[in-house]
Amino acid sequence: EPEVTQTPSHQVTQMGQEVILRCVPISNHLYFYWYRQILGQKVEFLVSFYNNEISEKSEIFDDQFSVERPDGSNFTLKIRSTKLEDSAMYFCASSESGGGGPLGGVTQYFGPGTRLLVL
Amino acid sequence: DQQVKQNSPSLSVQEGRISILNCDYTNSMFDYFLWYKKYPAEGPTFLISISSIKDKNEDGRFTVFLNKSAKHLSLHIVPSQPGDSAVYFCAAHTNRDDKIIFGKGTRLHILP
Repeated sequence: EPEVTQTPSHQVTQMGQEVILRCVPISNHLYFYWYRQILGQKVEFLVSFYNNEISEKSEIFDDQFSVERPDGSNFTLKIRSTKLEDSAMYFCASSESGGGGPLGGVTQYFGPGTRLLVL
Repeated sequence: DQQVKQNSPSLSVQEGRISILNCDYTNSMFDYFLWYKKYPAEGPTFLISISSIKDKNEDGRFTVFLNKSAKHLSLHIVPSQPGDSAVYFCAAHTNRDDKIIFGKGTRLHILP
């Protein structure tokens, strides 16, 4: 069964450093997302991406964050200058069709996550 | 901003019995509701969804019920099995901005 994969599984970085989290969405999916879960809190939406541009972003997704689809398979989240409060599990997700698709196929499939620890 | 609420942080159910997980929401613009299951150190795994125009969807042991007038949905698992022990997230999708909003989760323990 196809699945979303993420690398690395764990990342430790110093405050102020840049990190890039990588995701390979399910191959025929067209809509891509990043979510995060701070320890003990709920999963929160960060950004959605379709047709090589951001569709929607939350207030968490400030200028320090960026996303890119550098090739036909990878989808990356970059944090330019990490802060302590960026420590969290970051989940990538993909869906075949976003909101309003003909079959209403809004189900998003999640990767296993990258645990980011900022020291 | 708790648009999706799961008021029970945990639930314990005997193996073989029915597990009922509850969820309330506030936004009448949600178009789909989803349940995800999460094991420690893994990502959320999609279980079942329901369109806002339906009141029931069934898939094997899992049934989701939607009561729009009460803004309430529930997930029924019957019979409960040991492998069902996990955290269950209720989630809602908004067509307007294509994102999923999660509840805080309910930890389900299936007792032998």
